[in-house]
Amino acid sequence: GAVVSQHPSRVICKSGTSVKIECRSLDFQATTMFWYRQFPKKSLMLMATSNEGSKATYEQGVEKDKFLINHASLTLSTLTVTSAHPEDSSFYICSAKGVSSYEQYFGPGTRLTVT
Amino acid sequence: QKEVEQNSGPLSVPEGAIASLNCTYSDRGSQSFFWYRQYSGKSPELIMFIYSNGDKEDGRFTAQLNKASQYVSLLIRDSQPSDSATYLCAVIGDRGSTLGRLYFGRGTQLTVWP
Repeated sequence: GAVVSQHPSRVICKSGTSVKIECRSLDFQATTMFWYRQFPKKSLMLMATSNEGSKATYEQGVEKDKFLINHASLTLSTLTVTSAHPEDSSFYICSAKGVSSYEQYFGPGTRLTVT
Repeated sequence: QKEVEQNSGPLSVPEGAIASLNCTYSDRGSQSFFWYRQYSGKSPELIMFIYSNGDKEDGRFTAQLNKASQYVSLLIRDSQPSDSATYLCAVIGDRGSTLGRLYFGRGTQLTVWP
């Protein structure tokens, strides 16, 4: 299957700071990337859909000014958590979908802890 | 909105047995179906996808799709303890604003005991 990477895998930051998470498709061009968050023992929650070169589409209840998404190229999308607070601590996972396929491949995830 | 239902389990089978995981979906027009495996603390991993009615086999895994019954299943033959994980069924949005988006069930937790 296709490979998607995320960086960093773990990050600890102080309340009020911003954190950027990168998602890269390593061996295919991803026209669409998706960002999820997952709390322990809970289901994946889709935060936003990101299409290369256009603005992200956010799910209801997700603050677009707090979770900034940029998809500037066919292999890279970034999620920036601005002014992070302890309640933003979670497991953030991206997935990527290629041009001519329906299959989505997930990155390994980023565990964010806000102190 | 696409509804995807899975029995949350837990499903427990002995090593070497067949594990059967089931999923139903609400949108009769759905075309593409996926099974992901998620180990605790890890991200989901795509293990099977199926688009046509019938069976699709890949190693120890067989996906079965019955669009008339709106039912998709995953069989794991010769189950191993390493198969212990949560299995997520997903349906893809195929029109308009939902294009490409995955709709997940809540997942079935599988435990394979030695």
